[in-house]
Amino acid sequence: AQSVTQLGSHVSVSEGALVLLRCNYSSSVPPYLFWYVQYPNQGLQLLLKYTTGATLVKGINGFEAEFKKSETSFHLTKPSAHMSDAAEYFCAVSVRASNTGKLIFGQGTTLQVKP
Amino acid sequence: EPEVTQTPSHQVTQMGQEVILRCVPISNHLYFYWYRQILGQKVEFLVSFYNNEISEKSEIFDDQFSVERPDGSNFTLKIRSTKLEDSAMYFCASSRQGDLSPLHFGNGTRLTVT
Repeated sequence: AQSVTQLGSHVSVSEGALVLLRCNYSSSVPPYLFWYVQYPNQGLQLLLKYTTGATLVKGINGFEAEFKKSETSFHLTKPSAHMSDAAEYFCAVSVRASNTGKLIFGQGTTLQVKP
Repeated sequence: EPEVTQTPSHQVTQMGQEVILRCVPISNHLYFYWYRQILGQKVEFLVSFYNNEISEKSEIFDDQFSVERPDGSNFTLKIRSTKLEDSAMYFCASSRQGDLSPLHFGNGTRLTVT
């Protein structure tokens, strides 16, 4: 069965600092991996995804994530935090070839950006 | 950009009442989903729907829940007899190709059962 663990329910960084949000997954088959962002009172918006190919994937708003199979990780990074990045971030795994598109989410990480 | 729209944004109901949450997926999408997020907890999968039938459902999706695509545009989630523990944010999502394409989520309906 698939599962996702996000280390740290709250992360606080200063504006301009590096953002690192950690995600580890468990999957018996090669996974599809996703990061979603949720702003207050809004739905989940896709930041980026990994399916196959290049293990470093770039997403919107300057975010990127690297799939490391040996570490079963898919950490999200951004070189320089902006105040508008404050939101909740969810890592998710999809069961490849299930064809249902079902996502298993981590518990989420709230990113706080301090001026 | 096309969006998934959900109505209402907030629904308050009494325990034991039936509620219907409504969603309009993106028009060329073929796969439809409901997820829920209890306050402070993770987003949980409820059900996926494809080709006019349920393709997968979770343990949460018991006989009290049902989904329907009554016409070519709407996708509904019905809870027959609500319980206090059904209070949550319910998200509808759609995708074009199942696991080959990302899910697009609506803004959610906050259901409060009193």
